[in-house]
Amino acid sequence: DAGVTQSPTHLIKTRGQQVTLRCSPKSGHDTVSWYQQALGQGPQFIFQYYEEEERQRGNFPDRFSGHQFPNYSSELNVNALLLGDSALYLCASSLYGDRGYNEQFFGPGTRLTVL
Amino acid sequence: DQQVKQNSPSLSVQEGRISILNCDYTNSMFDYFLWYKKYPAEGPTFLISISSIKDKNEDGRFTVFLNKSAKHLSLHIVPSQPGDSAVYFCAATSYDKVIFGPGTSLSVIP
Repeated sequence: DAGVTQSPTHLIKTRGQQVTLRCSPKSGHDTVSWYQQALGQGPQFIFQYYEEEERQRGNFPDRFSGHQFPNYSSELNVNALLLGDSALYLCASSLYGDRGYNEQFFGPGTRLTVL
Repeated sequence: DQQVKQNSPSLSVQEGRISILNCDYTNSMFDYFLWYKKYPAEGPTFLISISSIKDKNEDGRFTVFLNKSAKHLSLHIVPSQPGDSAVYFCAATSYDKVIFGPGTSLSVIP
């Protein structure tokens, strides 16, 4: 049973460019959350997708956008890249439920470097 | 505005002894508290959780204690093993939105 997968593993872009990161959730999961982890910090919540809609969003600008497909996979898009966007981007999947917390399983992340 | 704080960036413990990792939070509305473990080049792995209505949860060698009045929780690992060496993130959640602390790097010395 494949866990959460992310592609690409590493990516180098220059300022002003746009980037798309991809995530496939764990089998049976229907919810995808994206996080940004800067060096020496904990993951910061970007947004969460369920039923192809953004359910929740953290304190990130509109340059960060996403999409969820009918097969539950997801993309994270970042426009007009800044040097400060350099980070590890983590995707986490979970199964939607009515509990306060549904365990999230994380992928290995995509390391984005902006030059 | 850091809602979840881990004030010890690193901790070293002898194999077989107890490891105690601490975490403080500011938001009384959190309903679950979580601990995640992260190895290099891997995503965080869920370790243990505790509901805000409990004060203790135990799973094998791992026990989490919650002190709501102090807005403080701790993770105890007994006995510590070299394979426990990793970065540990404390996190809190409200309606499935997870807020992570900055992490504590634990080194268990053989």
